[in-house]
Formats: sequence, structure tokens, C-alpha cells
Amino acid sequence: DAKTTQPNSMESNEEEPVHLPCNHSTISGTDYIHWYRQLPSQGPEYVIHGLTSNVNNRMASLAIAEDRKSSTLILHRATLRDAAVYYCILRGVGGTSYGKLTFGQGTILTVHP
Amino acid sequence: DTGVSQDPRHKITKRGQNVTFRCDPISEHNRLYWYRQTLGQGPEFLTYFQNEAQLEKSRLLSDRFSAERPKGSFSTLEIQRTEQGDSAMYLCASSSLQPLKGYTFGSGTRLTVV
Repeated sequence: DAKTTQPNSMESNEEEPVHLPCNHSTISGTDYIHWYRQLPSQGPEYVIHGLTSNVNNRMASLAIAEDRKSSTLILHRATLRDAAVYYCILRGVGGTSYGKLTFGQGTILTVHP
Repeated sequence: DTGVSQDPRHKITKRGQNVTFRCDPISEHNRLYWYRQTLGQGPEFLTYFQNEAQLEKSRLLSDRFSAERPKGSFSTLEIQRTEQGDSAMYLCASSSLQPLKGYTFGSGTRLTVV
């Protein structure tokens, strides 16, 4: 599986934007970039995914570099409920792959009131 | 749609005992996954079912571990002769066959082996 690199931790203040970076220099052409987050004492939760173009949904935005070797998850206005571990995952769907999710250690996001 | 349910939420067992966990996926999801998560680490893949067929098992799944998904609905994960190193959160997830759809995870079963 292609590997992703994320900072161990980041901090933000409530109601400010948060940009969570992810490097994936060995990404292949068929790999989608997925983001999940895990709140304390819960299972991971799907946030967003993309291939080449930037994506927006009700939870977040995903900005993908033109060369696809990095991406950024953007939380437009952080709330205390956004404090979680955020995982950036490459998910292959080509050939016989069923798109297994392989988690790294993620980024621990702390949001200050 | 009530999401993915896991039972029990917590389990404390003595070393050497057998334990079984249950996962009820979202009803229309064909795929079911088991993961294990220890403190401070991301979830690690254990095994994957498509309908009732177990299609992949991780090296992490020793002979003491067995998973089933009879009739392609709920799944069970059994650990025999538990060891202290088995203490972890066991997470179940399900997804549809559409490759880009996200996984839906349950809240997990926390196992403590004493």
C-alpha cells in the first residue's frame, strides 16, 4: 500500500479554519485519497474523499495538489467537537482491489475554546 | 439504518479464557471488516468478508483467532486462550460493493485481558 505522512499533532482555536496536511508522494494513478476521523471512544468516521479535483461536503473540504503528491483537509470553522484523530488514507480501487483501508497513526487535532 | 452495532462494548476476561464478539453491519452492506486498535495506534486490519466468504486474513490473525459471517449477515470474532497482548479495541466496519463508498464503523468492543 502506498504510504501517507501526517504531522503527529496540530492545534487550533475554536471557530478558526484548520488545514490538516498529508503527503503521499508514492500515490498511484488509481489511488483515491480518503480522510477519516476518530473521536474519543468511537470508531473512525468517513469524512471525505477525492481523486484529482478539490472536493467539498458538509463536513470539510479536500484540496489536492496538482501532482497529487499531497493533499489538505480543511475544516472551515473548527468546533470543540472536531477534536479527533484525523487519518489520511490512500485507497486503491483498480484491478481486484476491494479498497482495503490501511490506517497510519494520523494527526491528533486539539481545538482550544 | 441503525449503523454498525457491536456487542459487547466492553469485555474483561481472564487470561486463557475464550471470548466472542458480535458485529451487526448495515443490512444492505455486503462487505464486513474487522480491525484491532491498541492505544495510540491507528486501526490494524484483521480480516474481510464479502457476503459469507472470508476473502482476506491478516498475518495478525493468529490461529487463536477465528471469524465467521454465516449467511452473510452478522459476524462473530472469537479469540481462544486469550493473552494479555490481545487487550485492544476490536472494531467492525461494513461497506457496500461500490468501491468508493466509505466504511461505516461500529463503536468497537474494548477487550481487557487480566
